[in-house]
Amino acid sequence: GESVGLHLPTLSVQEGDNSIINCAYSNSASDYFIWYKQESGKGPQFIIDIRSNMDKRQGQRVTVLLNKTVKHLSLQIAATQPGDSAVYFCAERGGFKTIFGAGTRLFVKA
Amino acid sequence: DVKVTQSSRYLVKRTGEKVFLECVQDMDHENMFWYRQDPGLGLRLIYFSYDVKMKEKGDIPEGYSVSREKKERFSLILESASTNQTSMYLCASSSPTGNNSPLHFGNGTRLTVT
Repeated sequence: GESVGLHLPTLSVQEGDNSIINCAYSNSASDYFIWYKQESGKGPQFIIDIRSNMDKRQGQRVTVLLNKTVKHLSLQIAATQPGDSAVYFCAERGGFKTIFGAGTRLFVKA
Repeated sequence: DVKVTQSSRYLVKRTGEKVFLECVQDMDHENMFWYRQDPGLGLRLIYFSYDVKMKEKGDIPEGYSVSREKKERFSLILESASTNQTSMYLCASSSPTGNNSPLHFGNGTRLTVT
């Protein structure tokens, strides 16, 4: 996942614009990837996942892209809404253990 | 939808107390996990269990123990709470790994040890 630091990377977008949140994962043997959303005072909530035999998967207003060549994962949120404001985590799994990134904080400006 | 319920949202305990954090899931998941979440350190795995009465150490098991007497319930125990155990504790569950299923989290217990 992303390098861990005291301050989360932050992305600020205008309401209605598209958001792209990026993640560099660490283990080339990881074969399953997940994005989570965590709102203030709540636990991480599953958004979308993708297996390593795919490079794109779409959900409702969200798309995950996987580039295994450069070990990069991205989450695209279409028509970002105020309710999308949260911290977003990527996670990778190879075997039993799930490894979480440090997270990106998304601010949505009205 | 999977529901993972943690019995307490907030707890305040004194140093040296024995603390029990309870977690229940309603989806018959085999796997259950306890994480702690701290600013700048992300999510760190304390213990996990892949079956009743089975437990495995995660990355930071020191000062903690767990109990899994029933499939739906996974308890985290702080034998003698210390101030460095002040944290947000998150319980999660999942189907067996081979199904490539995500972790489902509870809403967390914010523990303060004074």
